[in-house]
Amino acid sequence: ELKVEQNPLFLSMQEGKNYTIYCNYSTTSDRLYWYRQDPGKSLESLFVLLSNGAVKQEGRLMASLDTKARLSTLHITAAVHDLSATYFCAVDGGAQKLVFGQGTRLTINP
Amino acid sequence: EPEVTQTPSHQVTQMGQEVILRCVPISNHLYFYWYRQILGQKVEFLVSFYNNEISEKSEIFDDQFSVERPDGSNFTLKIRSTKLEDSAMYFCASSVEFSYEQYFGPGTRLTVT
Repeated sequence: ELKVEQNPLFLSMQEGKNYTIYCNYSTTSDRLYWYRQDPGKSLESLFVLLSNGAVKQEGRLMASLDTKARLSTLHITAAVHDLSATYFCAVDGGAQKLVFGQGTRLTINP
Repeated sequence: EPEVTQTPSHQVTQMGQEVILRCVPISNHLYFYWYRQILGQKVEFLVSFYNNEISEKSEIFDDQFSVERPDGSNFTLKIRSTKLEDSAMYFCASSVEFSYEQYFGPGTRLTVT
């Protein structure tokens, strides 16, 4: 059974700092997705990572995928308050389903 | 930009009642999904649907749940006899092909009292 683990689960950081969220998964998969969720809202797609070594960047966020290590990272550069949200990674579990991590609740303080 | 829509946004029902949650996927998408998220917890897969058939379902998706595409646009999730533990946010999603990016709707908050 595919398991997806994120850490940390809670992250409080100051504006301007850098940090990384980690997503580990237990079985082979070549597709990994990062989503953002604001409180009470839906899931907004951030990144789609489709192969080993894939790296994608959008603004202050950069995501990477290492399929051999079964690890993806979401790196935040020079955080700003607007990035406060919960971030989920999700792994393609085959059979047309996504298996989500527990989410990382990110709070960025001025 | 095309988006997935869901109705209602909030549904309150009594235990034992039937509810139908509705979704309109993106028009050229062929794969449809339901997920749920209990408050403060992770998102859980319920079911995937393609070509008018269930492709995959989770352990959560028991005999009390069913899905249907009654016409060319709607995709519904029915819970026959709701339980307190069915209270959650239910998200519909769609994708153009298998293993492509899934686009999520805004969700229906189901409250069972």
